[in-house]
Amino acid sequence: DSGVTQTPKHLITATGQRVTLRCSPRSGDLSVYWYQQSLDQGLQFLIQYYNGEERAKGNILERFSAQQFPDLHSELNLSSLELGDSALYFCASSVTGGVQETQYFGPGTRLLVL
Amino acid sequence: AQSVAQPEDQVNVAEGNPLTVKCTYSVSGNPYLFWYVQYPNRGLQFLLKYITGDNLVKGSYGFEAEFNKSQTSFHLKKPSALVSDSALYFCAVRDPGDQTGANNLFFGTGTRLTVIP
Repeated sequence: DSGVTQTPKHLITATGQRVTLRCSPRSGDLSVYWYQQSLDQGLQFLIQYYNGEERAKGNILERFSAQQFPDLHSELNLSSLELGDSALYFCASSVTGGVQETQYFGPGTRLLVL
Repeated sequence: AQSVAQPEDQVNVAEGNPLTVKCTYSVSGNPYLFWYVQYPNRGLQFLLKYITGDNLVKGSYGFEAEFNKSQTSFHLKKPSALVSDSALYFCAVRDPGDQTGANNLFFGTGTRLTVIP
C-alpha cells in the first residue's frame, strides 16, 4: 500500500457526461500528479500540482481540468466525455515534486465511457 | 525531449532462472531512471531508481538494475525468478535538464513478465 488513495475505484458513465476523480496524497506529500493509462496511449502524464499550484502540464485535454485543495487532496475533472476517454487514471504523490523524488502511485480509478 | 523504450512486450522465464527486462532511454543530459511494477488491478509499485553514483542499483523484492551510460540502458534483473514476479513492468525516465517545465516521468510501453512454474 503506497499511502495514496483514490476514489472511486470504478466509474461507468455515458458520453457527454462529466465526472470527478479524487485523490489523497501520502501524508506529508505536497505534490500530486495525474496520469492516464490506456491501451493505445500507454501511461501518459497529465498534470502536476504542488501545494495547491499547478506546476507542470502534460498531455491533458482542454476538456479535462484539475485542482489541488488546501488540504492537499486533488480532483481531476473530466467533461464532455468521449468513448476514447475510457482508461485507468492514476494519481501519484511525492514530497515536493523534485526531479529526484520517487512518485508513489495510488490504485487508480477505472473509467468506462459508454 | 526524453523517451524510453522497452523493446520486449513479453518476457517468459522459468521459475528459478534469472530474469532480465530491458530498457533503453534517450535524454539530453544525465537521466534519472525508475522501474515500477504493476500487478493486475493494482497501481504501480516503485521498485528502484537510479539518480547518481553506483551503476548497480538494488531495489525491492530482490530486483536490481544496472545503469549503462554508453549503451543508454537500464535493464532490470533478478537472479532467481518467482511465479509471484509475474506482472507488468514499466521503465520510466526523468530528464533533470528538461526546461519545458513538464518535469515528469516518461514511461515505456511496459513489458509483461510471465514466470513459468
